[in-house]
Amino acid sequence: SQQGEEDPQALSIQEGENATMNCSYKTSINNLQWYRQNSGRGLVHLILIRSNEREKHSGRLRVTLDTSKKSSSLLITASRAADTASYFCATDFPTGANNLFFGTGTRLTVIP
Amino acid sequence: EAQVTQNPRYLITVTGKKLTVTCSQNMNHEYMSWYRQDPGLGLRQIYYSMNVEVTDKGDVPEGYKVSRKEKRNFPLILESPSPNQTSLYFCASSPISGGPSGHEQFFGPGTRLTVL
Repeated sequence: SQQGEEDPQALSIQEGENATMNCSYKTSINNLQWYRQNSGRGLVHLILIRSNEREKHSGRLRVTLDTSKKSSSLLITASRAADTASYFCATDFPTGANNLFFGTGTRLTVIP
Repeated sequence: EAQVTQNPRYLITVTGKKLTVTCSQNMNHEYMSWYRQDPGLGLRQIYYSMNVEVTDKGDVPEGYKVSRKEKRNFPLILESPSPNQTSLYFCASSPISGGPSGHEQFFGPGTRLTVL
């Protein structure tokens, strides 16, 4: 499977702390995206990073990409209770660019 | 409001009774896709369509059919549902016919299907 793998599967932190989630994948990619899903609802796009980029920021989000290690991380700074959700990475590949392959997700709980 | 809509949102049915889940987007997107989400397995792609009358299989197409007669609609058809198709289904769209590579996907709210 070309599916990515997120780590950890679940993460629980206090409000105000930073949350870091990791994604690993197996083969070379074109792009990597991060999505957020509130319980039982549709996914919402957060950020896209291309294979020639190493870091990207969007508000309180920081994404890094290390293509040599085939991994990415999503950092949420100064977390809020409203950040409680599942977070997924999704990759697309030089072949099969019609598909996105999603990981199994990290369930983040931010305790007020 | 730009959105992807799905109907129904919840459905309980019995084995073998044909059903259709509708998906519609109002963003004039060319690419549309169906996923299923199961605990521990993440999202897996069922079918996708790069444009009208162009559809192709994803990772788990068995037991499903799709059609793309109009740009805005992409229904998912289960001709003879079975209990292993109990899942949460999502429709998604992207603005580029080349697919979601390098572009975000917009997701519908999901359809929770239970097959007894």
